[in-house]
Amino acid sequence: AQTVTQSQPEMSVQEAETVTLSCTYDTSESDYYLFWYKQPPSRQMILVIRQEAYKQQNATENRFSVNFQKAAKSFSLKISDSQLGDAAMYFCAWLNSGGSNYKLTFGKGTLLTVNP
Amino acid sequence: EAQVTQNPRYLITVTGKKLTVTCSQNMNHEYMSWYRQDPGLGLRQIYYSMNVEVTDKGDVPEGYKVSRKEKRNFPLILESPSPNQTSLYFCASSLRWRGGETQYFGPGTRLLVL
Repeated sequence: AQTVTQSQPEMSVQEAETVTLSCTYDTSESDYYLFWYKQPPSRQMILVIRQEAYKQQNATENRFSVNFQKAAKSFSLKISDSQLGDAAMYFCAWLNSGGSNYKLTFGKGTLLTVNP
Repeated sequence: EAQVTQNPRYLITVTGKKLTVTCSQNMNHEYMSWYRQDPGLGLRQIYYSMNVEVTDKGDVPEGYKVSRKEKRNFPLILESPSPNQTSLYFCASSLRWRGGETQYFGPGTRLLVL
């Protein structure tokens, strides 16, 4: 079974600085997808960024970028120029490529605090 | 506006009283899924549906039922709720059940079972 591990239950960063959230996963599959979701206090699950495992290029979305290391099974999220609105719980998730039992497997989350 | 809606958003009930949480999407998505979120456990899949009349169990299906009679709706049924089903529930949908399609989440339903 696939597992996703987020080793940092909590992180903090100063406004305007950069923070990196860690995620590792375990799978025997070669084709899969990885995601970071953000959950602000409203509890809404918001997609931050998506990475295809077959792509070597790291995904970026404005201030958010990932460091995807397939061999190491690592998928960290870097937030640059942190803003107060970035404060949230962040979940790393793994998705298989299709077929039965198609589901997101989530890590337990990292709570990010942004200090003014 | 493309969205996944859930109702109710908040619910307090008592043990054994049957309840249904509705989920609807207006994006013509094939795939729909229910997750529950508990502190320290992340989100875990309860049931999923790959299309109309096609449903299957996820990781934590005990105590829940689902149906998919129409493409847009995927209700979650708790026949006899128990306190251990107190949780935050999310419905999600994606265009297809392959190809890594992004899953879009509803706003969540917070359930308290007394």
